Parts: sequence; C-alpha cells; structure tokens
Amino acid sequence: QLQLQGSGPGLVKPSETLSLTCVVSGGSMIGSNYHWGWVRQPPGKGLEWIGCIYYTGSITYYNPSLKSRVTISVDTSKKQFSLKVSSVTAADTAVYYCAKMTTGFDPWGQGTLVTVSS
Amino acid sequence: QSALTQPASVSGSPGQSITISCTGTSSDVGGYNYVSWYQQHPGKAPKLLIYDVTNRPSGISNRFSGSKSANTASLTISGLQAEDEADYYCSSFTASTTYVFGTGTTVTVL
Repeated sequence: QLQLQGSGPGLVKPSETLSLTCVVSGGSMIGSNYHWGWVRQPPGKGLEWIGCIYYTGSITYYNPSLKSRVTISVDTSKKQFSLKVSSVTAADTAVYYCAKMTTGFDPWGQGTLVTVSS
Repeated sequence: QSALTQPASVSGSPGQSITISCTGTSSDVGGYNYVSWYQQHPGKAPKLLIYDVTNRPSGISNRFSGSKSANTASLTISGLQAEDEADYYCSSFTASTTYVFGTGTTVTVL
C-alpha cells in the first residue's frame, strides 16, 4: 500500500531555511485530484495545515499565515515532494507530517521533528 | 484562518457512545461536504477515520460515524473501547481553497 516517508534535518538555526522531503512508495503520485501536502504540530499542540501541491506541480495552495515563507514542490519522476520554510523562528519548532490529500489526508508520513534553535 | 472549534475533552465509559463536535462557519464546515476526522495516539501520526462528512475508509470500524448540521460537524464513537482513548481532530476545506483543522479533542475512556 501507499507509504510516505519524510526526512530532513532535525535542527535548524533561527533565520535559516527549513527543508524537508517526503518520498512516496507503494503507489503512484499521479492521479486526478491527487494533492500532496504538509501539516505540522508544535509540541503539545494541535495540527496546522501548511499547504499542498497538485501532482503536476502546476497549482499550489498555502496557509495564508505561512504563505510568504513557504514553498512546496513536487518531482513525480523521483516520487517525492518537498517543503521549504524560510526565516524560521522558534515558533516553527514542530513535528512536520507529509500526507496525500484527496478526500482527506491519507496516508500520513511518520512525522519529522524539527527544532529551531541556535 | 481560524481553527475549527472542538471541545477540549470528552469522556465516556466502555460500551457507551460519545459525540465530538466541530464548529466552523458557512465558509468552511457549513459550505462544503469536505469534513474529515482523524484519530491520533501519542507519538503517532494522525489516522483518517471519516472523510466527506460521513464516509469511512476501508478498514475503519463502523463504530465511528460522522454527520453534519449547518456549521457543525460531529463524530460519534459508539461502543467505546479502551483503544479509542486518543486525540481527535476534524478538518474542513474552506472557501479560500485552503484547509483548516479543529482545535482537537482528547477522549478519555473511564
């Protein structure tokens, strides 16, 4: 079955750029209504939708509160999609999840804890 | 965008039924049948329970059911079991072509 595996640095310095990648296995990234997205969860807090990208890469949607700092890209030939968050602060410390988005977020990656600290 | 409103906690005894509410606006929950529900155990990724308000993915127990009335969606867990103790989140598509999650509800099995 489809599986997602996120990866990236666990520690990022303030003002730098956070970069994460999600590799898709066990299925195709291509399909009508297939979007690939990111969700984050600060320690002890709730879920926050970051954004998503259509499988063609032609359309992206971002949380308005993060839009100026976030970029999501996709490379279906490598079966992966990526997240970049620029100018990070301690408030960006969270577990970052990747997920397939069609009629809901499913499946999810295992989550990557990213800590912003000098 | 503001998070959807859920009760912070709900509890019930084994075998009972509980309902978790998820209140939004006409620009999200009330305007679209794209409400989904997730279960999250500590240290784990969320798991999809319900999509498009009422639909269960393959493999999800029929003890979980969803509904919606106006701007409020609900998740009902019937025949409550110890394994249902977890955090639950709702999510909705919005008029801004974005998604928003609920504030989350902790379910305790007494």
